[in-house]
Amino acid sequence: EVQLVESGGGLVQPGGSLRLSCAASGFNFINYWMNWVRQTPGKGLEWVANIKLHGSEMYYMDSVKGRFTISRDDAVNTLYLQMNSLRPEDTAVYYCVVNRGDYWGQGTLVTVSS
Amino acid sequence: DVVMTQSPLSLPVTLGQPASISCSSSQSLLYSDGDTYLNWFQQRPGQSPRRLIYKVSIRDSGVPDRFSGSGSGTDFTLKISRVEAEDVGIYYCMHSIQWPWTFGQGTKVEIK
Repeated sequence: EVQLVESGGGLVQPGGSLRLSCAASGFNFINYWMNWVRQTPGKGLEWVANIKLHGSEMYYMDSVKGRFTISRDDAVNTLYLQMNSLRPEDTAVYYCVVNRGDYWGQGTLVTVSS
Repeated sequence: DVVMTQSPLSLPVTLGQPASISCSSSQSLLYSDGDTYLNWFQQRPGQSPRRLIYKVSIRDSGVPDRFSGSGSGTDFTLKISRVEAEDVGIYYCMHSIQWPWTFGQGTKVEIK
């Protein structure tokens, strides 16, 4: 059974940082692209970042370029999202997602507020 | 960026009756490999999204056959042949032809 368990969300002040983690199991992690997708009531679903096999390429949505970094550790089947210079508009539930949406985690809430 | 537009945004349906959701993209989703990268997701209340269909019409494992996808190029449709109570939720189309992958606004399906 595929399991994706996100962690690391929470309340942070504007300008602060958070690191999200996603522990994956039940599939061959090393063979899949991995992604972070976020959801807000106002903007719906947004594909935040994507990382290809072995971290060979990464893509980011425009509004997070230069602030967020996606990475993966294939040795421990874990995906990460380092989020710096956080803004109130980054407030969302962040999901760890396999490939083109094959599987989703339960999500972790990030709230950016003073 | 490719813009995905869904209609309707709200869809009240009667149990046992069919339902249909449309999705259009601002450019063709036909890739050079011959595949069309259009996906459909279902999000039940309080749950994470779940993919139902990929490449326009291929159902994911475990998805009931009352769900079907069709279309080509820039116009696509998700059909539910007979709506059941468990189908209540929000349905999203999404393309994955080029970065950034983008979603439609979502269609809320509810029972009349």
